[in-house]
Amino acid sequence: DTVLTQSPALAVSPGERVSISCRASEGVNSYMHWYQQKPGQQPKLLIYKASNLASGVPARFSGSGSGTDFTLTIDPVEADDTATYFCQQSWNDPYTFGAGTKLELK
Amino acid sequence: EVQLVESGGGLVQPGSSLKLSCVASGFTFSSYNMHWIRQAPKKGLEWIALIYYDSSNKYYADSVKGRFTISRDNSKNTLYLEMNSLRSEDTAMYYCAKGEDWFAYWGQGTLVTVSS
Repeated sequence: DTVLTQSPALAVSPGERVSISCRASEGVNSYMHWYQQKPGQQPKLLIYKASNLASGVPARFSGSGSGTDFTLTIDPVEADDTATYFCQQSWNDPYTFGAGTKLELK
Repeated sequence: EVQLVESGGGLVQPGSSLKLSCVASGFTFSSYNMHWIRQAPKKGLEWIALIYYDSSNKYYADSVKGRFTISRDNSKNTLYLEMNSLRSEDTAMYYCAKGEDWFAYWGQGTLVTVSS
């Protein structure tokens, strides 16, 4: 299976820019997607196919990358962005998710 | 508005069975592939099953293959997950999701706890 590796946690101050990385153990073309999950809620799609903003998602969120290295960027970070962020690939079977990066605000 | 509402979770003993349901609304259910995804407590997400829009193909994660069965009733706009031989490691929140390569819509989840 394709393993997706994410940093466990990040802490940033409101107004700053933050980049959350996801590295795949094998190439996934551009089929990397990003989700935000807040405690007690279901995941919410933010970015699909590496760089496409999902409907209703603020333009503060952006995605980049291809192949094995991908980045979710939030600029500027707001207090409401406190959450866990997951990457997910759909190029290789089975679909797999990263373990998540918990974003905390200072 | 797309809505997915799961039900059927609960506390069960190891080795028992359970059937989850997901009622869909707000879109043409019979035209879309559907998935089940689970999340163990304080853990990450695990895709477990996919069914094509017409039930012609079904795919499973190795962790549930042979024990879980995904199905759907397009006349009732309902997705199912039949779970047999449940183990403690199946304890998780189970979500249904709509999407092809990415999951644009998720239900709120139903909690399955496997414990003696």
